[in-house]
Amino acid sequence: AQSVTQPDIHITVSEGASLELRCNYSYGATPYLFWYVQSPGQGLQLLLKYFSGDTLVQGIKGFEAEFKRSQSSFNLRKPSVHWSDAAEYFCAVADMEYGNKLVFGAGTILRVKS
Amino acid sequence: NAGVTQTPKFRILKIGQSMTLQCAQDMNHNYMYWYRQDPGMGLKLIYYSVGAGITDKGEVPNGYNVSRSTTEDFPLRLELAAPSQTSVYFCASSLGQGREKLFFGSGTQLSVL
Repeated sequence: AQSVTQPDIHITVSEGASLELRCNYSYGATPYLFWYVQSPGQGLQLLLKYFSGDTLVQGIKGFEAEFKRSQSSFNLRKPSVHWSDAAEYFCAVADMEYGNKLVFGAGTILRVKS
Repeated sequence: NAGVTQTPKFRILKIGQSMTLQCAQDMNHNYMYWYRQDPGMGLKLIYYSVGAGITDKGEVPNGYNVSRSTTEDFPLRLELAAPSQTSVYFCASSLGQGREKLFFGSGTQLSVL
């Protein structure tokens, strides 16, 4: 089965600073990759996804992610963080050996300081 | 358009009690899922369904049961609540699997004391 690792449990950035959240997956072929965001007290919302093609994908709310096969990574980035970006972020991969069901990472909690 | 609706939002149970978490979606999605979310553990799949009358176990099914009599509804049943079932539960639905995005409900926070 595939697995997803998000090495950072918490990250704190200043408002206006750039952000990068790390995600590594284990899978031999090109996986289906996703980033979801969970605001406090809410369900998860899809930020962006990658299946094939251009390795830099754009999502909602100004986020982007880059797929790097050589590093088995799919890191999420934003050039300038807003206070409203404070949330928990989950990387996920569709597990081809598990009926394409999503496997989620443990999540990264983003705190934004003013 | 309500999307995925979960009830209740909060619940406290005593050990050994039973309850049903309700989930309904109005998007005519065939696929529905139940996840539990524990701090630092991400989301773990409990059960899923690929259509009315068809359900299957996920990664952590022990202590839970589901049914899917209609496309819209996918209730999760806890028969004998245990402290290990204290968690936040999310229902989700999707048009398909793999490439399709999941639509999530707002969650049910359950405490078993």
